[in-house]
Amino acid sequence: QKEVEQDPGPLSVPEGAIVSLNCTYSNSAFQYFMWYRQYSRKGPELLMYTYSSGNKEDGRFTAQVDKSSKYISLFIRDSQPSDSATYLCASVRGSASKIIFGSGTRLSIRP
Amino acid sequence: DAGVIQSPRHEVTEMGQEVTLRCKPISGHNSLFWYRQTMMRGLELLIYFNNNVPIDDSGMPEDRFSAKMPNASFSTLKIQPSEPRDSAVYFCATSGLAVVDEQFFGPGTRLTVL
Repeated sequence: QKEVEQDPGPLSVPEGAIVSLNCTYSNSAFQYFMWYRQYSRKGPELLMYTYSSGNKEDGRFTAQVDKSSKYISLFIRDSQPSDSATYLCASVRGSASKIIFGSGTRLSIRP
Repeated sequence: DAGVIQSPRHEVTEMGQEVTLRCKPISGHNSLFWYRQTMMRGLELLIYFNNNVPIDDSGMPEDRFSAKMPNASFSTLKIQPSEPRDSAVYFCATSGLAVVDEQFFGPGTRLTVL
């Protein structure tokens, strides 16, 4: 079993829709949770991170962590075609420098 | 800052050949990571360095893979001999010393082994 599990998609939604991306993890020691966004033929880039349980909002993006159920979510409001990318959830264990990535969900926003 | 620089961007080689991938980290970053990404296995950490010292190489698939970081501004990942199943995109990423270290990824090297 992978430590961070993510549905690979693909997920296709119309422009303006609310998108929900989800991951589960198995290691209770994880404290930091991240979302990376990867455009086609580019390297991943950090979108958001949260510490422990709770919500964090940044513009149209909201990251949510529920440690009791080991569930990580990313919500995108008013989705735009420019949001089309692969989204990777990630968790940090141990030294805080080794990130465990999910396999990524490919998202497409239709104009 | 130019960001993380990787070379070559694309590499096509034949099975059995030696392949060397190169990475120049962001100046001042103390940690360097090598990842491999495939459709089947996603993004996998191969090895990471802290202050030029290898910390964890448990992700290196086998002895055919080796990595070095001779100084703070350069790292290499070598595959010898290469095999078709090594075909993937290889990313180098670097980070600083913050508690939650954002990793900055390079553009990747797309390796195809025929």
